[in-house]
Parts: sequence; structure tokens; C-alpha cells
Amino acid sequence: AQSVSQHNHHVILSEAASLELGCNYSYGGTVNLFWYVQYPGQHLQLLLKYFSGDPLVKGIKGFEAEFIKSKFSFNLRKPSVQWSDTAEYFCAVTPSSGSARQLTFGSGTQLTVLP
Amino acid sequence: ETGVTQSPTHLIKTRGQQVTLRCSSQSGHNTVSWYQQALGQGPQFIFQYYREEENGRGNFPPRFSGLQFPNYSSELNVNALELDDSALYLCASSLGGIGGYTFGSGTRLTVV
Repeated sequence: AQSVSQHNHHVILSEAASLELGCNYSYGGTVNLFWYVQYPGQHLQLLLKYFSGDPLVKGIKGFEAEFIKSKFSFNLRKPSVQWSDTAEYFCAVTPSSGSARQLTFGSGTQLTVLP
Repeated sequence: ETGVTQSPTHLIKTRGQQVTLRCSSQSGHNTVSWYQQALGQGPQFIFQYYREEENGRGNFPPRFSGLQFPNYSSELNVNALELDDSALYLCASSLGGIGGYTFGSGTRLTVV
């Protein structure tokens, strides 16, 4: 079974600061990787995903993530955060093959951006 | 295209009761998954349905059961509710589990 670890539970940044949220996964096979964001009172929204190819993935709202296979990591980055980025961020993984490709989520990182 | 819709948005039940939550998948999606998100935690996989059959289940007891209908809408049923069942229940749909999942806004269940 797969598992996901997000090291930072709560991150507080000032506007314009750079962001990096850590995500490590554990699984014996190949995986698909995702970052979801949950704004207060809203549903989970997909930020970006990695299936194969270029390990540097660009998503919406200026976010990007880099898949480092040797480190089992998929860290999320943004060069300059905005107050509107305040939200909870979840890293998730699914097996890349098989019939039951359920998402396994990390425990989430709450990002607070101070104006 | 329509997204994933869930009903009701909020629900309060008494311990021991039964509850049914509903989900309409995004148009064109044939796979639906249900997740439980307790406060301050990431969503936990309950089960997944593909073409009306359960094809994956997480670590949840049998009193959590589901259905998927021919139009790919889905229900989550929970019997003998316990206080710890209080959580946000999320439905997500996809096309064969490939390409990512679209989530609904969830049903907030409170068991008292």
C-alpha cells in the first residue's frame, strides 16, 4: 500500500515570499502524483499532476512541482506567494496501473500568507 | 461540463442511526470514489466504484457501503452511526481512475 508524508503542518509566509512544501511518498511501483488545494469553505481543486515525462510540472496559479524519483519526493513550489494562496494543500498519490487507483493523501499543509 | 455535486451539504444524525449521502458524477466520468475527511486530516479512501461494481476499498468497516447507478451517480450508506463518523464526506469522479479526480464540495456529517 502507498503512503504520503507531508512534513510541514503549518507554514506562515509574508506576501512575495517563496514557497516550498515538502511531499514524500512510499510505494513499490510507479505512481501518479497530485497536489490539491482546499480554500476555506471550498472543495478540493487540482493544482497540478505528474504522470510521466518531464519531472518538472507546472500547474495553475503559478505553482509548480518537481518529481525526484530517487528521493520519492514531489515538492510544491511557488516563487512569490499572494494573500489569496492562503489554503490547505494536499499531496496525493495513486498507483499508475491497476484497476483501483484510489488517491492516498498526505495529512495536508495549512499555508497562511500574511498581507 | 457539470462538476461533481453532493447532497445534502450538511447533516446531523444521532448515534446508531443510518445515513445516505448522494453524489452526481461529472459528465462522462464512470468511476466514483468516496473519501472521509476528519477535521485537520487528509481525506481517507473509503471505496471506489467502476461501472456499478466496487473495485477497491479502504480500511473502513462493512457498515460503510455504497452503490453506483447506471447513470454513474452514487450513494454512500453508513449504518449504526458512531460519534467518530463525524467528518466531511467527499465524492470524487474520474474516467476510469485515470487523469485525475474531480471532487465535490462534500457533505458535512455530524453525529451526536
